Amino acid sequence: DTAVSQTPKYLVTQMGNDKSIKCEQNLGHDTMYWYKQDSKKFLKIMFSYNNKELIINETVPNRFSPKSPDKAHLNLHINSLELGDSAVYFCASSQDIWKRTNPNEKLFFGSGTQLSVL
Amino acid sequence: GQNIDQPTEMTATEGAIVQINCTYQTSGFNGLFWYQQHAGEAPTFLSYNVLDGLEEKGRFSSFLSRSKGYSYLLLKELQMKDSASYLCAVRSGNTPLVFGKGTRLSVIA
Repeated sequence: DTAVSQTPKYLVTQMGNDKSIKCEQNLGHDTMYWYKQDSKKFLKIMFSYNNKELIINETVPNRFSPKSPDKAHLNLHINSLELGDSAVYFCASSQDIWKRTNPNEKLFFGSGTQLSVL
Repeated sequence: GQNIDQPTEMTATEGAIVQINCTYQTSGFNGLFWYQQHAGEAPTFLSYNVLDGLEEKGRFSSFLSRSKGYSYLLLKELQMKDSASYLCAVRSGNTPLVFGKGTRLSVIA
């Protein structure tokens, strides 16, 4: 069974459309993340949720809205897609939120969603 | 903020040893990670260092010098399947992982 699964794997859409990417983890982890990897392969955090609660919201446009219905799911909805949104979006999870007392929290990544905005 | 620097690309020969360097500048350092990412796939965890010194795990070893803000990943007995991007990532204080831009390693026969 896949530990962190996200769908779809590929998403091709027109500028201005609204799209969603779904993510589920079956590891029993409390913390989930969305990362964006651009064409230069730079992996940058967008959001983090801990037990369904938003913890981190980096400087991401309001068009991006994460939703966590339960701690095993973290979906990403994107409104009014722009050309610059084209990237690979990775969902990830970790056992617990990063803390000074437990700094070696490993991230487990999904296989990525390649979004192409035309 | 954090600044993480690693070479963009490296090429090495099958069977050889390669060292991928990573330098970082941060406050409240709380650990350094190495991840491997094959083309079109997800990053996977390789190693974690928080104390100075060398951590060995099979063909892969990772070294950390906190005073120098420096780490390296050492890959021995290179195999073709080791061709991938290697991402250095730093944790500081109570913040999530920040990744470097990755080093794309090509292993040639």
